[in-house]
Parts: sequence; structure tokens; C-alpha cells
Amino acid sequence: DAGVTQSPTHLIKTRGQQVTLRCSPKSGHDTVSWYQQALGQGPQFIFQYYEEEERQRGNFPDRFSGHQFPNYSSELNVNALLLGDSALYLCASSGDTGNTEAFFGQGTRLTVV
Amino acid sequence: AQSVTQPDIHITVSEGASLELRCNYSYGATPYLFWYVQSPGQGLQLLLKYFSGDTLVQGIKGFEAEFKRSQSSFNLRKPSVHWSDAAEYFCAVGAGGGGFKTIFGAGTRLFVKA
Repeated sequence: DAGVTQSPTHLIKTRGQQVTLRCSPKSGHDTVSWYQQALGQGPQFIFQYYEEEERQRGNFPDRFSGHQFPNYSSELNVNALLLGDSALYLCASSGDTGNTEAFFGQGTRLTVV
Repeated sequence: AQSVTQPDIHITVSEGASLELRCNYSYGATPYLFWYVQSPGQGLQLLLKYFSGDTLVQGIKGFEAEFKRSQSSFNLRKPSVHWSDAAEYFCAVGAGGGGFKTIFGAGTRLFVKA
């Protein structure tokens, strides 16, 4: 079992650009959540996808969008990058039952310059 | 609103000494509670979880945590710390149904001295 895999591992972008991050969930999981972890802080919930639709959303602007594919993999898109978007972006997958925990990937380190 | 508070930003303990990391949560219903550990530049690894039942839960790497509803706490403990335990520890509460919107505390950095 490969667990949750994310790509790329590191990324450098220029302010104003757009970025796409990718996530493949753990086998058997159909729910994908994305988190932003700024340096020295805990992860902050961005949104969650289930059945190819955004089911829950945290307090993030519309510049942050996502997509889930029929195979449950997911993308996180960020438009008009700001310096403050520099962070570790974590993907987590879970099964859609009431008492399963989330399994996290290793994250994508995004640096905006 | 749901929230998690970890009062200690960092803690230093001697190798072999006992450890307790504090966590308080705010949640309107019976919470699902977690402790995760993160090594530098890495993702999060689940140490243990509480969903229901016995309020003392055992996890990996010799960690345990106790759920105290009256105190809204879920403190993490380990009787004897090893140098390899040095990392960032996050307490989290699962909010919402059907898969979890996990809300994390700000974390506690553990330093272990020889």
C-alpha cells in the first residue's frame, strides 16, 4: 500500500503565478482533504472533496480551488500567488465512514518568491 | 466553533524522563480526538486516536493519552522519552460528519536533552 502520495515535493513559484498540486489517496479511500501548514503553525483546513465535489471548506479565499477525479485523486489549484501562500501543503485521505482518521501525505513545500 | 489549544509552544525534557503534552479542545458534541507527530519537513503520523469507550488510549511508540470530558482535555503522555521522540506534536479534533474536517492545535515542539 503506497499510502497517500503527493507531487511535487518542492516547488518554487513567482508571485502572481498559478500552481497545481496533486494527491493520490490511500487505497480504498474516497475522501480527500487539503491543508495548509505555514512555518511554525499547525495545519489549517482548506477544503475536502468527496464524490468529485467540494463538501466542506475552510476559511480560504476563492483563489484556492480544487478538483477530485473519478479515481479519487485530487488537485489543489492556487491562483494569483501571494508571498503568504508559501507553506507546506498537506493532503489527507479518509474513508467516508463516521469514525475513520485521516492519513496524511508527506506534503508539497511551496515557496513563492 | 471548534478549536484546539496546546498551551506549550515548546517543552524540553531529559532523555528517560516522563513527558506530558497538554491539549484542550472546544467542541459541541462528543469529539473525535487525535495526536499526530511531525518530524522536520515531513508529513503527519498518527500516534493515537479517541473515538469512544475507554478514556485511556494507547498508541504507537509507547505513547498514551487520556480523554477527560469534564476538563475538555486530551493530554499525551509517555513514561520514558527517547532522543528520537524529538519532534512537533499536534493535537487535533475531528469535526463534521462523513470523513473529517480535522482541526489542529498550533503544536508543541519537544526537545530532548541527553
